[in-house]
Amino acid sequence: SQQGEEDPQALSIQEGENATMNCSYKTSINNLQWYRQNSGRGLVHLILIRSNEREKHSGRLRVTLDTSKKSSSLLITASRAADTASYFCATVPSGFGNEKLTFGTGTRLTIIP
Amino acid sequence: DGGITQSPKYLFRKEGQNVTLSCEQNLNHDAMYWYRQDPGQGLRLIYYSQIVNDFQKGDIAEGYSVSREKKESFPLTVTSAQKNPTAFYLCASSILSDALAGGNEQFFGPGTRLTVL
Repeated sequence: SQQGEEDPQALSIQEGENATMNCSYKTSINNLQWYRQNSGRGLVHLILIRSNEREKHSGRLRVTLDTSKKSSSLLITASRAADTASYFCATVPSGFGNEKLTFGTGTRLTIIP
Repeated sequence: DGGITQSPKYLFRKEGQNVTLSCEQNLNHDAMYWYRQDPGQGLRLIYYSQIVNDFQKGDIAEGYSVSREKKESFPLTVTSAQKNPTAFYLCASSILSDALAGGNEQFFGPGTRLTVL
């Protein structure tokens, strides 16, 4: 079963603008992770936020987590053409270790040069 | 270079055939995983292994089998019992963490695209 749902399913923005995508999940979690997938390739880990954290930054990425609403957002600032990819959130449900990473359906981001 | 390799990149199978997808990692990770991705969808867990000679079913294990005879290798066999095997298959690995630490990043291979003719 897929716990997470990303919103929107697809997003197109101009290069230089900020991109925000959201993830909602259903059960309590140990942590939430964001991954990027270029077309036809494997996934690349971007950032991990633990259930006791509210915000985390990594370069141009900012992730927030609201456990009361069971939601997370990923903000990419000053977007570049190379950011064009699909972005997935993945959750580790409470009570499990890393073997139970459950992925959402993804947001397809297109950066228009 | 450290990483995960998958082979072949493209694989074609006739109905009724079993095929085996290769996954090798040199990251010295204990845990390895197989996922299936259908077009426009997220990843679904097929099997995972946390230690040599042990593996566990994921959410969609029916029609698949795995082995873990070596730490570095986790091959996936798609059997003829899998009714709709055409998909993109991704292998991943990670270090292990305890349940309280809860989840480390997974490193993914480049994937194998399987098509049933």
